[in-house]
Amino acid sequence: QVTLRESGPALVKPTQTLTLTCSFSGFSLSTSGMCVSWIRQPPGKALEWLARIDWDDDKHYSTSLKTSLTISKDTSKNQVVLTMTNMDPVDTGTYFCARTRRGERAYFYYYMDVWGKGTTVTVSS
Amino acid sequence: SYVLTQPPSVSVAPGKTARITCGGNNIGSKSVHWYQQKPGQAPAVVIYDSGDRASGIPERFSGSNSGSTATLTISRVEAGDEADYYCQVWDSSSDHYVFGTGTKVTVL
Repeated sequence: QVTLRESGPALVKPTQTLTLTCSFSGFSLSTSGMCVSWIRQPPGKALEWLARIDWDDDKHYSTSLKTSLTISKDTSKNQVVLTMTNMDPVDTGTYFCARTRRGERAYFYYYMDVWGKGTTVTVSS
Repeated sequence: SYVLTQPPSVSVAPGKTARITCGGNNIGSKSVHWYQQKPGQAPAVVIYDSGDRASGIPERFSGSNSGSTATLTISRVEAGDEADYYCQVWDSSSDHYVFGTGTKVTVL
């Protein structure tokens, strides 16, 4: 059974750095085609993808947030960490991590097949 | 940047068919994924690669994709289908995912 769980501070101050950890079980991030993504959702708003890290340590970032995000993995601990610098009140919301797996036809595609329950982050002084 | 446009809301009577559209430039050439999010819950994939049902998803859910529009169709709608639905693609030109604006499905 694949599970993911997000953890991190519930409250951060503006300009601080947020560090979130995704702890997972039931799969290995060293297996070809396996990835983990981070997605966030402001209250009452749509989903926004943030970053993805792949089994081969390739990393992808949201263009609009690229300068403030860092994603990394610890395969031995089954964890993925996302850091976001210079937090602002507009960054308030629920942050999800999701296993992202590769499928293949004549092309590769990647979709988020298992999600964590999410962790709520409020940015306020 | 690539934009995916969905209708904000769709209302449907029980037993009828709901169609949720996702518009994007030449989206028919992309692999589209659909996610269902019920209130207070994390999203869950219902359709991947435009037309494949995820594990455990009933046959009432189907997807299609052509030209500038991808469509999620829910047949014989049930009260339990009431949720927000999001489409998603990978934009290769910018090397990142894009989510649609989301559609709230209301069962009358």
